[in-house]
Amino acid sequence: DQQVKQNSPSLSVQEGRISILNCDYTNSMFDYFLWYKKYPAEGPTFLISISSIKDKNEDGRFTVFLNKSAKHLSLHIVPSQPGDSAVYFCAASANRDDKIIFGKGTRLHILP
Amino acid sequence: EADIYQTPRYLVIGTGKKITLECSQTMGHDKMYWYQQDPGMELHLIHYSYGVNSTEKGDLSSESTVSRIRTEHFPLTLESARPSHTSQYLCASSEWGHSYGYTFGSGTRLTVV
Repeated sequence: DQQVKQNSPSLSVQEGRISILNCDYTNSMFDYFLWYKKYPAEGPTFLISISSIKDKNEDGRFTVFLNKSAKHLSLHIVPSQPGDSAVYFCAASANRDDKIIFGKGTRLHILP
Repeated sequence: EADIYQTPRYLVIGTGKKITLECSQTMGHDKMYWYQQDPGMELHLIHYSYGVNSTEKGDLSSESTVSRIRTEHFPLTLESARPSHTSQYLCASSEWGHSYGYTFGSGTRLTVV
């Protein structure tokens, strides 16, 4: 049973607009959430994280929102740029020392 | 420059062959992991290690084995490769309290014919 769900396999967004990637989780023990970005033929790279004690974390063009009651988090990218085209993985762990559980990923296409 | 290295990047091998996928990191991380990923699917943890001489199986059952004789080295071995082992294998490492998550290698794409 998937504990971290990314229900949109792909998303296309116009360059300069906002990209919103969504993620749901089922395990109420998760208290630390991460987003990774992956280009083809490369390993995933860490993008941004959020602890369950927060509901928002911002880093430049990237913002992650956490809604614990809904067990939902989202990644906002604004403005979207061509280099943002990649697969984005949502991930979670029960604490900062526990193993990370990954979703299936969402492929983001930024259109010119 | 601190990094994590995986070799080979691509491997095509015949059924029944023994293979070892190499993973080395220069960051001094105690924790290392092997993930397996099929296209369009999530990364599945197959092995992890929290230090020298410590190895554990992950959430996804795998016929592969691992060893951790040195902190920096975490090789994965398949004694007899089969077509069902065709996948991408990703190695990662982290510190305790992984505030910035794992550092991943570039992966090995394995094809067993």
